[in-house]
Amino acid sequence: AQSVTQLDSHVSVSEGTPVLLRCNYSSSYSPSLFWYVQHPNKGLQLLLKYTSAATLVKGINGFEAEFKKSETSFHLTKPSAHMSDAAEYFCVVSEGVKSGNTGKLIFGQGTTLQVKP
Amino acid sequence: DSGVTQTPKHLITATGQRVTLRCSPRSGDLSVYWYQQSLDQGLQFLIQYYNGEERAKGNILERFSAQQFPDLHSELNLSSLELGDSALYFCASSVPGVETQYFGPGTRLLVL
Repeated sequence: AQSVTQLDSHVSVSEGTPVLLRCNYSSSYSPSLFWYVQHPNKGLQLLLKYTSAATLVKGINGFEAEFKKSETSFHLTKPSAHMSDAAEYFCVVSEGVKSGNTGKLIFGQGTTLQVKP
Repeated sequence: DSGVTQTPKHLITATGQRVTLRCSPRSGDLSVYWYQQSLDQGLQFLIQYYNGEERAKGNILERFSAQQFPDLHSELNLSSLELGDSALYFCASSVPGVETQYFGPGTRLLVL
C-alpha cells in the first residue's frame, strides 16, 4: 500500500527566508508524487509533480521538490517565502494508472505554512 | 482556474436530508474522482468514474452514491445526512493514462 507522511503539521517562516516542507513516502514501486496547495477557502492547486523523469522538479511560484529514492523523501522548498505563500500544502502519491490501477490520490495530512512579515 | 466546476459552492441542510453535488470535468477528461476533506479524516478518496462507469471505490459510505452522465458531468448524492458528513467535497478530473488530477473549487456542506 502507498502512503505519504508529512513530517510537520505547521511550519512558520519569516518573509524572505527559505521554506522547507518535508514529506516521506512509502510505495512498492516507483511512485508518482505531487504537491498541491490549498489557500484559505479555496480549492486545491497543483504546485508540481514527479513522474520518474528528472529528480529535481520545478513548480509554480518558485517552488521545487527533490525526489530522493534512497531516503524515500520528496521535500518541497522555496528559496524566499512570500506572504502570499501562506496556505496548506499537501504531499500526495498517486496509485498510478498502469496495470489496472485507478490513479486515485493518497494525501498526506497537510502542512500549514505561516509566513510572518 | 483548473477548468473543473462544482456546484453549489455552499450547502446548508439538516440531519436526515438528501443533497446532490454536481461536478463538470475539464473538457476532454474522462475520469472524475470525488474526495472528502474533513478536519478529523483529512482528504480521502471516495469514488471514481471513468467514461460513465464506476471504476473504484474508496472510503465511501453506503448512504453516498455517485454517477457520471453521458456528457461526463458527475453527481454525488448524499442521503440520510448526519452531522459528521459536514465537510468540503472536491471533485477532480484527469485524462486517460495521466495521473495528474485537476481539482474543482469544492462544495462546502454543513449539516445542522
